[in-house]
Amino acid sequence: QQQVKQSPQSLIVQKGGISIINCAYENTAFDYFPWYQQFPGKGPALLIAIRPDVSEKKEGRFTISFNKSAKQFSLHIMDSQPGDSATYFCAARDGGTASKLTFGTGTRLQVTL
Amino acid sequence: SQTIHQWPATLVQPVGSPLSLECTVEGTSNPNLYWYRQAAGRGLQLLFYSVGIGQISSEVPQNLSASRPQDRQFILSSKKLLLSDSGFYLCAWSYTGNTEAFFGQGTRLTVV
Repeated sequence: QQQVKQSPQSLIVQKGGISIINCAYENTAFDYFPWYQQFPGKGPALLIAIRPDVSEKKEGRFTISFNKSAKQFSLHIMDSQPGDSATYFCAARDGGTASKLTFGTGTRLQVTL
Repeated sequence: SQTIHQWPATLVQPVGSPLSLECTVEGTSNPNLYWYRQAAGRGLQLLFYSVGIGQISSEVPQNLSASRPQDRQFILSSKKLLLSDSGFYLCAWSYTGNTEAFFGQGTRLTVV
C-alpha cells in the first residue's frame, strides 16, 4: 500500500525559530515530492517541491532536504513567522499519466510571538 | 491563466439525501481531474481521478460516485448520504503527466 508517513502531527515554534516537519515513504516508484500549505477553510497550495535526484532545494525561507537511501524528506522553515501558521502536507507522486499524489496526514504549525 | 471553481463552499444535508458537488476548470484543456476528501488527522484521501471525458477511476470503495460529462467539469455525487460522508471535499487538476496539482477552495459537507 502506498503510504507517506508525516510527523509531528502538531508543532509550536516561536517567531524566528526553525520549524521542521518530517516525512517518510516506502514506494520507490515515487518520483516527485511536493509540500503543500493549507490555511483554514482553504484548499492546499503548493509551497515547494523536489525530485529524488536532488538532495536539497531552497526557496526563500523554505528548504526541502531529501534522503533517497533512507526514503525520507523534510521541510525546514527558517525564521518562522506568525503568517506561516497553517497546516502543512507532504506528498509523493507516482509516475504515470494520472499524476496521483499520496499525502501525509498533515502537520499543524503554530508560530507564536 | 487557469482557475478552478468548486461549489458550494458549505453544505448541510440530511442523511439519505442526494449529493452533487461540481468542479470546473478554466484556461486549460484535457486536464487530469481529482476529488479528494480531507478528514481531521487523516490528510487528503484520493477518492476519484479522471484522465479524460467519461474516464473515471475510483481509489476507494464508498458511497460516492464521480462523473466527467465535459472536458473541464468534474462532478461528485451520492444517491443517499451517510453520516460518514461528512468532510471537506477538494477538487484538483493537473496537466497530463505534470507533477503539480492545483486545488479548489473546497466544500465543507456536513451530513446530519
